[in-house]
Amino acid sequence: KAGVTQTPRYLIKTRGQQVTLSCSPISGHRSVSWYQQTPGQGLQFLFEYFSETQRNKGNFPGRFSGRQFSNSRSEMNVSTLELGDSALYLCASSWDRGRTEAFFGQGTRLTVV
Amino acid sequence: AQSVTQLGSHVSVSEGALVLLRCNYSSSVPPYLFWYVQYPNQGLQLLLKYTTGATLVKGINGFEAEFKKSETSFHLTKPSAHMSDAAEYFCAVSVTGGFKTIFGAGTRLFVKA
Repeated sequence: KAGVTQTPRYLIKTRGQQVTLSCSPISGHRSVSWYQQTPGQGLQFLFEYFSETQRNKGNFPGRFSGRQFSNSRSEMNVSTLELGDSALYLCASSWDRGRTEAFFGQGTRLTVV
Repeated sequence: AQSVTQLGSHVSVSEGALVLLRCNYSSSVPPYLFWYVQYPNQGLQLLLKYTTGATLVKGINGFEAEFKKSETSFHLTKPSAHMSDAAEYFCAVSVTGGFKTIFGAGTRLFVKA
């Protein structure tokens, strides 16, 4: 079956702009989590959605937001981009929250200039 | 609260040598434990997982890990390193009902010819 799909793979934005990233989970998975990965901070948890509701949130400013649709697809949005938002954004889906392994997409590489 | 500590941000081994990547966790309840591998510009891929039962867990690519409750450890090993094992490895923990997976900071494995 198809894996987790993230689009786009690469993105270049200017400071102050906003961006929307998309994630399509594995069919049947209802939990979608987002992570930010940078060389300095490593893998940091952004938020998790389950059945269209945000269930967990990491320690990120309100500029970072997300949502999940009824088909479990998820989007995350970053407004007023800053240079420090440059990172690899990873989406992961799982069937059962926390009790089974997460399946990761290949990520979206966001560069803010 | 759960936490994961990976000892050593970088580990270097010679091809054919033993690989040992260390992971210690903290959890007040029985944990689920995972090891993931990440190749450059890719998402994370599950290597192996421990949920219940046998404490020695075998994964893909010849890796295995042993859950030691008394030592709160879940170290990853491979008897003989291959050049293709060069990647970053992440240990992760989640708990029943916790609904969140916590990742360690990662260990980058270098394999010398």
